[in-house]
Amino acid sequence: AQTVTQSQPEMSVQEAETVTLSCTYDTSESDYYLFWYKQPPSRQMILVIRQEAYKQQNATENRFSVNFQKAAKSFSLKISDSQLGDAAMYFCAYRRYSGGGADGLTFGKGTHLIIQP
Amino acid sequence: DTGVSQDPRHKITKRGQNVTFRCDPISEHNRLYWYRQTLGQGPEFLTYFQNEAQLEKSRLLSDRFSAERPKGSFSTLEIQRTEQGDSAMYLCASSLNTGGVNEKLFFGSGTQLSVL
Repeated sequence: AQTVTQSQPEMSVQEAETVTLSCTYDTSESDYYLFWYKQPPSRQMILVIRQEAYKQQNATENRFSVNFQKAAKSFSLKISDSQLGDAAMYFCAYRRYSGGGADGLTFGKGTHLIIQP
Repeated sequence: DTGVSQDPRHKITKRGQNVTFRCDPISEHNRLYWYRQTLGQGPEFLTYFQNEAQLEKSRLLSDRFSAERPKGSFSTLEIQRTEQGDSAMYLCASSLNTGGVNEKLFFGSGTQLSVL
């Protein structure tokens, strides 16, 4: 079974600074997807960024970027120029690639990100 | 497009009672997922539908749980004979799948269940 581990229960960063959230995963699959989701107090999970395992290039979405190390099974999220609105729970998630089929996401336990003004 | 809607937002029930939650996905989304999230944990996959067909169920989904999506639109999740361990937030997500590669899930705000 796949597992996702987020070793940082909580992280704090000053506004406008850069913060990196860690995630490791365990799988025997070669094709899969990795995601970072944000869950603000409103509870709605919002997709931040995704990475296909077959792509060597790290995904980037504006201030959000990932460092994907497939051999090390590591998938960290870097948030640049942190903003107060970035404060939330961040979940790393894994999904097996199964062609046209679907599999549920496997989530880590989350990292609570605090932005200090 | 009003997003994924879940009702009710909160539900308090006594142990042994039955409860039913509803999820209205984004219109024309063909896939609908149910997840459960307990305090301090990430969401756990329960089940998903492709249109009206329930295609996968997690081992977490005991016999007391049943989900339906009768017309391929909204879905209901029923829990019979609730137990205190069922207390959690139940999240629904929907997506438009056209081949699986670029599927993006949109989540609702969840139904928070408290079993007393």
